[in-house]
Amino acid sequence: GAGVSQTPSNKVTEKGKYVELRCDPISGHTALYWYRQSLGQGPEFLIYFQGTGAADDSGLPNDRFFAVRPEGSVSTLKIQRTERGDSAVYLCASSPMGGIENQPQHFGDGTRLSIL
Amino acid sequence: GQSLEQPSEVTAVEGAIVQINCTYQTSGFYGLSWYQQHDGGAPTFLSYNALDGLEETGRFSSFLSRSDSYGYLLLQELQMKDSASYFCAVRDLDSNYQLIWGAGTKLIIKP
Repeated sequence: GAGVSQTPSNKVTEKGKYVELRCDPISGHTALYWYRQSLGQGPEFLIYFQGTGAADDSGLPNDRFFAVRPEGSVSTLKIQRTERGDSAVYLCASSPMGGIENQPQHFGDGTRLSIL
Repeated sequence: GQSLEQPSEVTAVEGAIVQINCTYQTSGFYGLSWYQQHDGGAPTFLSYNALDGLEETGRFSSFLSRSDSYGYLLLQELQMKDSASYFCAVRDLDSNYQLIWGAGTKLIIKP
């Protein structure tokens, strides 16, 4: 596809459950980012992948959150023992390269996660 | 730590010009970006300033003054489709060069 694809677009689950959110970046983009956005706020950085490795995971709020990108393209954000405070829109973005060089990030439409 | 301030809401008339300001506090500043986000949509990149001055891209321009830790986004010939939220975001040393975002400015355009 031409853009960043995120699935599912919406996810509703009960507190305590496990969820997986998927991101399919633009083909050839080596840098991939996960953000979390709450209503009325800007995106909050979670984790950055350069290729297959997590180059910066300093934004992950706690050890319930984990992300992988095993083949350097599709990434999965995993949340264990979900809490109501995890409810937010989870955004994925990709760019051709990462690092300190500024490159526009291309975002998906996000997954709206609701924890009941 | 880092902080960014931008107005929460701005209202303007179709066809007019509007300026959205952003002030920031960072260490090791490494550029100011602007993104547009329509309700329920994905943020889309608008512009980037690393050096002082004005960058123009069509109807949109962005300005940066590093000495004042200040920038703005200027939108000209406003169209109804420009109704959206606009975010400034900075990259700096403290954030490992990751984007740190403001809370966004909701632009309301009236006919």
